[in-house]
Amino acid sequence: DTTVKQNPRYKLARVGKPVNLICSQTMNHDTMYWYQKKPNQAPKLLLFYYDKILNREADTFEKFQSSRPNNSFCSLYIGSAGLEYSAMYLCASSRAGGQDTQYFGPGTRLLVL
Amino acid sequence: GEQVEQLPSILRVQEGSSASINCTYENSASNYFPWYKQEPGENPKLIIDIRSNMERKQTQGLIVLLDKKAKRFSLHITDTQPGDSAMYFCAASERNTNTGKLTFGDGTVLTVKP
Repeated sequence: DTTVKQNPRYKLARVGKPVNLICSQTMNHDTMYWYQKKPNQAPKLLLFYYDKILNREADTFEKFQSSRPNNSFCSLYIGSAGLEYSAMYLCASSRAGGQDTQYFGPGTRLLVL
Repeated sequence: GEQVEQLPSILRVQEGSSASINCTYENSASNYFPWYKQEPGENPKLIIDIRSNMERKQTQGLIVLLDKKAKRFSLHITDTQPGDSAMYFCAASERNTNTGKLTFGDGTVLTVKP
């Protein structure tokens, strides 16, 4: 099973409110990633977990948090959503190794009003 | 970091003809180049990839070429079908043995006209 699951598929949030998105995989992958994708733009890496080590991109460091309570689950947390957070959020996972295939989930479409 | 440029952003071809998408990258340390296809409402799926020890790879109507000297790689779809219509993303991975950080191109919307 190469399925990466994401919940919810759609999320409506109010400006200033927190948002928590969930990703899971049962492939025992060491690395899990979160990307933000806006229309007509490339998926942009926000952060990734290698095992228990969190790596956040410098330009999104303060905007997103994440937790990985176990190997299968990874969350993306926005403490205070702004309009600019409206986007598709894609989770992916891969085995350890810089050249291993990343398997993507179906994404969560977040709309902030 | 890495920067990946992908062209064209929109590509329309007639069924049965070929389609080509080109990408360039900046980081000479990048050594893994996957291509993803994303259909409407679906998640991106890997369709083919090439590593830096190869110059050409072919599978099921797809050909990828890699020119390391020019830092350029390309996807060629031969005998296109309406089912090939989708968004295509190229990506480059930095040389890192522990994690596969991908830098994506902006995508190409391919439409195959019957």
